[in-house]
Amino acid sequence: EPEVTQTPSHQVTQMGQEVILRCVPISNHLYFYWYRQILGQKVEFLVSFYNNEISEKSEIFDDQFSVERPDGSNFTLKIRSTKLEDSAMYFCASRVTWGYTFGSGTRLTVV
Amino acid sequence: AQSVSQHNHHVILSEAASLELGCNYSYGGTVNLFWYVQYPGQHLQLLLKYFSGDPLVKGIKGFEAEFIKSKFSFNLRKPSVQWSDTAEYFCAVNKNAGGTSYGKLTFGQGTILTVHP
Repeated sequence: EPEVTQTPSHQVTQMGQEVILRCVPISNHLYFYWYRQILGQKVEFLVSFYNNEISEKSEIFDDQFSVERPDGSNFTLKIRSTKLEDSAMYFCASRVTWGYTFGSGTRLTVV
Repeated sequence: AQSVSQHNHHVILSEAASLELGCNYSYGGTVNLFWYVQYPGQHLQLLLKYFSGDPLVKGIKGFEAEFIKSKFSFNLRKPSVQWSDTAEYFCAVNKNAGGTSYGKLTFGQGTILTVHP
């Protein structure tokens, strides 16, 4: 079964540093998403991406965040200057029609 | 904007007990409804979904859910749980645009299910 792959599985970074979280969506999928889950809280939508541009973003997705699909396979989430409150599990998802497929997540710890 | 509420944060059961996890949503339009499961250390996996038609939907691993439109509910059930069902369960909703899925998922808080052998 096709999978969405996320790397790294765990990243520790110092406050103020930039991080890039990587995702390889399923190859024929057209819609791409990032979600995050702060420990003990809901899974929250961050951003959706379609046709090489952001189609929707949440209020969490401020100027510190950006997404990119630099080639035909990768989909990245960049956080420019991490804060302690960015510590969370970040999930990538992709879909073609209704079927969202999620990656196993990157646990980001900001110290 | 849509919202989802799951009533139970942590449910503890013995094997063979019956399970019902509550989910209520708030949205003025037509929605699609989903239940996802996350086993420890793994990704979110789809258990079942409702788009239209029969409000009783059956999913994988013996799970089912019933959509009750008047109650804005989509409760998950399983008649007899197993130790391997220990996981976190998430209810989610998105807009239904002409019978297809549309846009972002909005998740509930999640329910941790612990099944004792």
